Amino acid sequence: EPEVTQTPSHQVTQMGQEVILRCVPISNHLYFYWYRQILGQKVEFLVSFYNNEISEKSEIFDDQFSVERPDGSNFTLKIRSTKLEDSAMYFCASRATGTTNEKLFFGSGTQLSVL
Amino acid sequence: ILNVEQSPQSLHVQEGDSTNFTCSFPSSNFYALHWYRWETAKSPEALFVMTLNGDEKKKGRISATLNTKEGYSYLYIKGSQPEDSATYLCAFSDFQKLVFGTGTRLLVSP
Repeated sequence: EPEVTQTPSHQVTQMGQEVILRCVPISNHLYFYWYRQILGQKVEFLVSFYNNEISEKSEIFDDQFSVERPDGSNFTLKIRSTKLEDSAMYFCASRATGTTNEKLFFGSGTQLSVL
Repeated sequence: ILNVEQSPQSLHVQEGDSTNFTCSFPSSNFYALHWYRWETAKSPEALFVMTLNGDEKKKGRISATLNTKEGYSYLYIKGSQPEDSATYLCAFSDFQKLVFGTGTRLLVSP
């Protein structure tokens, strides 16, 4: 079965450094998402992306965050200057349509640790 | 702020036990309710997406029910097996985005 892949699986960085988390969504999917889960808390929505632009973003997704689809396959999340509170598991997800009664396909996540 | 609650937070059962968990969500602006199963070090995987009040879905030993009027969904596992050990996440949709609960962590001992 097709799957969403994420790299790296773990990323350790120093506070203030830039990180780029990478995702390859399922090839015929058009809608892409980033979620994160801080340890012990809920899975939180960050941003949705369709047709090469952000369609919705949460309050968490401030100016330090950006997303890009640099080519036909990759979907990246960049955190410009990481903070301690950015430490979390970051999940990429995709689906074929934008309707929320369709299931999401998730990657296995990138565990980001900011020291 | 949309609030989705799951209970219990964690559960430890013996192999063969049947178990159930609850997801509570807002009863207004309902569009869909998702259940995902998340095993450690793997991707969360969709179990069910339910849209209609009274919906019941089944996948093997796992089933789910939906009550949109009172805002809850139950997930049932019949005859739990160690491989059912995972975190079970529900997510509520109000047309625009999914809002997740904190999950129920299930451990099934042999």
